[in-house]
Amino acid sequence: GQSLEQPSEVTAVEGAIVQMNCTYQTSGFYGLSWYQQHDGGAPTFLSYNALDGLEETGRFSSFLSRSDSYGYLLLQELQMKDSASYFCAVSGNTPLVFGKGTRLSVIA
Amino acid sequence: GAGVSQSPSNKVTEKGKDVELRCDPISGHTALYWYRQSLGQGLEFLIYFQGNSAPDKSGLPSDRFSAERTGGSVSTLTIQRTQQEDSAVYLCASSLNTGVGEKLFFGSGTQLSVL
Repeated sequence: GQSLEQPSEVTAVEGAIVQMNCTYQTSGFYGLSWYQQHDGGAPTFLSYNALDGLEETGRFSSFLSRSDSYGYLLLQELQMKDSASYFCAVSGNTPLVFGKGTRLSVIA
Repeated sequence: GAGVSQSPSNKVTEKGKDVELRCDPISGHTALYWYRQSLGQGLEFLIYFQGNSAPDKSGLPSDRFSAERTGGSVSTLTIQRTQQEDSAVYLCASSLNTGVGEKLFFGSGTQLSVL
């Protein structure tokens, strides 16, 4: 089977940096994706890592360690609009399997 | 269309009734997925289509759930004899194909409430 673990909530201050972790157990692992979902909205794609290391896209970076079955999403220069839920998802032998998400609250 | 369209956006039904949820994917996207999201929870995979065929139905919770896709486009998810535990947001997503790491585009979902 496949399972993913994410902290349920995190709070950070506007302008700061926050890291949201994801650990997974899966068979046939191909890569780790991250999606953002605002309250009442649709999940939107943020990043995908197939290889070990850090991928950067603007204020967002995503990291993967295949040997540790671990990844994280890093948000820099936090803004109030970054308050949302963030889901990691694994690509394997089945369609994308999602974690339960981390709810990020950005405070002034 | 410009994005994935789902209808209705909200559906309230009585326990025991049947409901149909519709998904109109992005034009040209061959892969279509249905997920279910309960309040404050992650996304639970239900079924996916490659073209009109459904290679993976493993996520359907029971035989009350069924889905079809016609013409490689619109998909309908049907829930028969609805139960209160079926209440959730049903999300549809599409992608160009089912390649690894494929980017999924989600609709805004149908909020189903079973009374």
